[in-house]
Amino acid sequence: EPEVTQTPSHQVTQMGQEVILRCVPISNHLYFYWYRQILGQKVEFLVSFYNNEISEKSEIFDDQFSVERPDGSNFTLKIRSTKLEDSAMYFCASRGLAGAAPGDTQYFGPGTRLTVL
Amino acid sequence: AQKITQTQPGMFVQEKEAVTLDCTYDTSDQSYGLFWYKQPSSGEMIFLIYQGSYDEQNATEGRYSLNFQKARKSANLVISASQLGDSAMYFCAMRERGQAGTALIFGKGTTLSVSS
Repeated sequence: EPEVTQTPSHQVTQMGQEVILRCVPISNHLYFYWYRQILGQKVEFLVSFYNNEISEKSEIFDDQFSVERPDGSNFTLKIRSTKLEDSAMYFCASRGLAGAAPGDTQYFGPGTRLTVL
Repeated sequence: AQKITQTQPGMFVQEKEAVTLDCTYDTSDQSYGLFWYKQPSSGEMIFLIYQGSYDEQNATEGRYSLNFQKARKSANLVISASQLGDSAMYFCAMRERGQAGTALIFGKGTTLSVSS
């Protein structure tokens, strides 16, 4: 069964460093998302991406964040200058065309745990 | 105000028993979708079940069913015949405005522990 994949599974970085989190969405999906989950807290939306542009973003998604679909398969989240509070699990999700799945379900990857020291 | 409220931080159930995980939501939209996801200790988010605001029947997927009470704005997850592998965090989520590209809003989750 097709699935969303994410790399790396765990990233440790120093405060102020740039990190790129990578995702390979399900191959025929067109809508892509990033969410984050700070340890022990709820999952929060960051950004959605469709047709090579951001379609929606939250207040969390400030100028330090950017997303890109550099080729036909990858979807990346870049944090330019990491802060301690960026430590979290980052989930990529994707979904297909309207009606392709019940409720246009978003399917999540396994997550990347980012630790900022 | 919370959009999604899950009032049970933790639930405990014996194997083979049924359990209900509560979820209430707040929206002024007429068209919305409600989802439940399971997060095992390994961390991934697994889609379980979906209920649309216009669906008249309660959704079912195997051992999972959704007790949808629109007037009360509740969408409780019922797990029948619990198994040890059901031990996980469960999140209720909502998509408003009926727009497919719209973000999911999650509740804080309920930790379910199944014992033998």
